[in-house]
Amino acid sequence: SAVISQKPSRDICQRGTSLTIQCQVDSQVTMMFWYRQQPGQSLTLIATANQGSEATYESGFVIDKFPISRPNLTFSTLTVSNMSPEDSSIYLCSVEDPPEQFFGPGTRLTVL
Amino acid sequence: EDQVTQSPEALRLQEGESSSLNCSYTVSGLRGLFWYRQDPGKGPEFLFTLYSAGEEKEKERLKATLTKKESFLHITAPKPEDSATYLCAVPTPDSWGKLQFGAGTQVVVTP
Repeated sequence: SAVISQKPSRDICQRGTSLTIQCQVDSQVTMMFWYRQQPGQSLTLIATANQGSEATYESGFVIDKFPISRPNLTFSTLTVSNMSPEDSSIYLCSVEDPPEQFFGPGTRLTVL
Repeated sequence: EDQVTQSPEALRLQEGESSSLNCSYTVSGLRGLFWYRQDPGKGPEFLFTLYSAGEEKEKERLKATLTKKESFLHITAPKPEDSATYLCAVPTPDSWGKLQFGAGTQVVVTP
């Protein structure tokens, strides 16, 4: 199974600022996914990141707010831009190792 | 619209008291169903993938089953370390990695 790490593990940020979250996988994967888990809720898919192409976003999520980079087959970043308290969540990256799907440990973001 | 519904929302068990969690789904053309365990402050930990009705999978005290409309996660003789939130999820038709999750069942096992 893929081993996934994320940085930072947690952060506290001021509203109006941006935070970039890194996701590193120990093997090459075609597709990486970013999810959000708001307090007390389940996971919601933000976007899919393929290496060499633009990320595709789910309904309700836009590139200006959540820009994503995918420079190679083992790494991706998600930026949370112009943050507000409503962005306080756990952000998780995941990879598919068909037919299984594995998740990173998450980044816990608190916006004040 | 595809939906994944889990019940109950929360479950409190005595150590050794077996029980079942339910995950019902309304998905056209189900390709598979995932079960995950999530501990507080951590990412989901993969448990099982089920592919077709009638399939069963086991891991230690956990057993997952699948019918055409729902899946069950049976916890046999649970221990306090089985306390966690259990999530089920189904993939979208176009990608195994694009998952729709249920809200989860929070399980607490007391000694």
